[in-house]
Amino acid sequence: DIHLTQSPTSLSASVGDRVTITCQASQDVAINLNWYQQKPGKAPKLLIFDSSNLQAGVPSRFSGSGSGTHFSFTISSLQPADTATYYCQQYDNLPPTFGGGTKVEIK
Amino acid sequence: EVHLVESGGALVQPGRSLRLSCAASGFTFDDYAMHWVRQVPGQGLEWVSGISWNAVPLRYADSVKGRFTISRDNAKNSLYLQMNRLGPEDTAIYYCAKDVNINGDYYFDYFGQGTLVTVSS
Repeated sequence: DIHLTQSPTSLSASVGDRVTITCQASQDVAINLNWYQQKPGKAPKLLIFDSSNLQAGVPSRFSGSGSGTHFSFTISSLQPADTATYYCQQYDNLPPTFGGGTKVEIK
Repeated sequence: EVHLVESGGALVQPGRSLRLSCAASGFTFDDYAMHWVRQVPGQGLEWVSGISWNAVPLRYADSVKGRFTISRDNAKNSLYLQMNRLGPEDTAIYYCAKDVNINGDYYFDYFGQGTLVTVSS
């Protein structure tokens, strides 16, 4: 199974800050990597698919990049509504696997 | 609007069985593969199983292979997960998830709100 390592595991930032999360895959997954947001007590929500494509309806302050084994997810201007845990997920190699998550809080 | 509503979660003793259901609406159910994803409360996400549009089980996680069976009834817009020989390690919130493709791309554009399964004596 492909292992995804996210860093940091948690972060605290101020409203308006630029926030970046990284996801490293244990082997090449091409661009077959997605990012999900999960707010407390809620279901996960797809934000970014195929490394850099914004899911319909998702604010443009969210973005993703990367290919192969190194990926990043950025919130360009952190908002209070962005308080959540963010997960990367690869689907290049079965079974699909998720990273351990990054908890984002507002300072 | 896509809606996925899971049901069937319960407190169950180790070794017993449980069947989860997921009622889907707001999209053409038999145009998409479907999946179950679980999450131990406070922990990360684990894909469990997927099924193609025409009810062919795609695959199971090694942790549930031989114990869990995924199925669907397109006439009823419903997805199911039969869970046998449950153990404490199966305690989790179980989410129904819609695939983005008909045969299964193994990523998920919608999740239900989940149903909690607790395995304990």
